[in-house]
Amino acid sequence: AQTVTQSQPEMSVQEAETVTLSCTYDTSESDYYLFWYKQPPSRQMILVIRQEAYKQQNATENRFSVNFQKAAKSFSLKISDSQLGDAAMYFCAARVAGSQGNLIFGKGTKLSVKP
Amino acid sequence: DGGITQSPKYLFRKEGQNVTLSCEQNLNHDAMYWYRQDPGQGLRLIYYSQIVNDFQKGDIAEGYSVSREKKESFPLTVTSAQKNPTAFYLCASTPVGGGGQGNQPQHFGDGTRLSIL
Repeated sequence: AQTVTQSQPEMSVQEAETVTLSCTYDTSESDYYLFWYKQPPSRQMILVIRQEAYKQQNATENRFSVNFQKAAKSFSLKISDSQLGDAAMYFCAARVAGSQGNLIFGKGTKLSVKP
Repeated sequence: DGGITQSPKYLFRKEGQNVTLSCEQNLNHDAMYWYRQDPGQGLRLIYYSQIVNDFQKGDIAEGYSVSREKKESFPLTVTSAQKNPTAFYLCASTPVGGGGQGNQPQHFGDGTRLSIL
């Protein structure tokens, strides 16, 4: 069975600084996809970034980037120039190719941004 | 704009009562999903449907039921057998069903908060 682990229940960052959220996963499959979702206080789930396991290049979306270490099964999210609006729960998720599209979610990391 | 609409936003259930949460999407997506979210937990899959008139149990299906009579609708019924229904419920969809979704993300509704009276 696939599992996704987020070892940091809570993190805090100063505005304009950089923070890294950790995520590890466990799967025996070679073809899979990884995602980071943001859930602000409004509770809406918003896709932040995604990564295909077959791609060596780390995905980047503006201030958000990932450090994908396939051998270590690690998929951390780096937020640069943190903004107050980045405060939210962040969930790491994984999908194995051919698994009927089901996502496996971690338990989340609550990020606070200090002004 | 296309999206997923969940209603109601807040719902209260009495003891022994069944309640139904609505999920409607106008994205023309094939696959739809229901998740439960508890404090300190990630999202846990209740049921999913890859195509009309077909659905499968997720990890925590006991005490819940679903139907998929139309492509755009995937209602979730929380039955009286679900002894701890208080949670936040999220509906999601993806364009393609089966195993062909690749890196397509799931699109989520705004959720329904269910509480016991």
